[in-house]
Amino acid sequence: GAGVSQSPRYKVAKRGQDVALRCDPISGHVSLFWYQQALGQGPEFLTYFQNEAQLDKSGLPSDRFFAERPEGSVSTLKIQRTQQEDSAVYLCASSRQQNTGELFFGEGSRLTVL
Amino acid sequence: QQQVKQSPQSLIVQKGGISIINCAYENTAFDYFPWYQQFPGKGPALLIAIRPDVSEKKEGRFTISFNKSAKQFSLHIMDSQPGDSATYFCAASPMDSNYQLIWGAGTKLIIKP
Repeated sequence: GAGVSQSPRYKVAKRGQDVALRCDPISGHVSLFWYQQALGQGPEFLTYFQNEAQLDKSGLPSDRFFAERPEGSVSTLKIQRTQQEDSAVYLCASSRQQNTGELFFGEGSRLTVL
Repeated sequence: QQQVKQSPQSLIVQKGGISIINCAYENTAFDYFPWYQQFPGKGPALLIAIRPDVSEKKEGRFTISFNKSAKQFSLHIMDSQPGDSATYFCAASPMDSNYQLIWGAGTKLIIKP
């Protein structure tokens, strides 16, 4: 596609539910990133993939967060047993090269946990 | 050492004026400094970026000024327009490591017609 596509755009979950957020990066982009953005804040790094390899997951806030990119293209961020503090916009970005270059962001998935 | 401090938090500028947003960093390993622009409901988009081998970079109405010794960099928007109203984020990362981008907290810019 022309840009990074994320779905769903909006998700409301009850506390304790599991959610899955999908990211479809720009075709051919090697690197894929997940960020969490709280209201009025800058993006906070969650995890990074180079093709299918998850090279850094140091930003995942707890073991309830899990990300995968099994075929090196589409990625899914899964949050188990959601808590209210998980409410945020989850941004996905991709870049053509590994390690360098412009990040292209999707519009984000806004998660609200009630 | 990993922080990027951005100011002001919000800024109101009259149409046609100059908008100035400042950022400061501590980590001397940083050598890539992008600015991203984010409109409500959208993801950030790269506006302009600089590496420390130059002190200034200009693209249209947007200019980055870089002061390596002071570890500061700033974004200047000349002839500010209402369409420039957005949140602006500075960021920094070590060379060849865009996944380690450290982001500022953002500046909400409002351009008054």
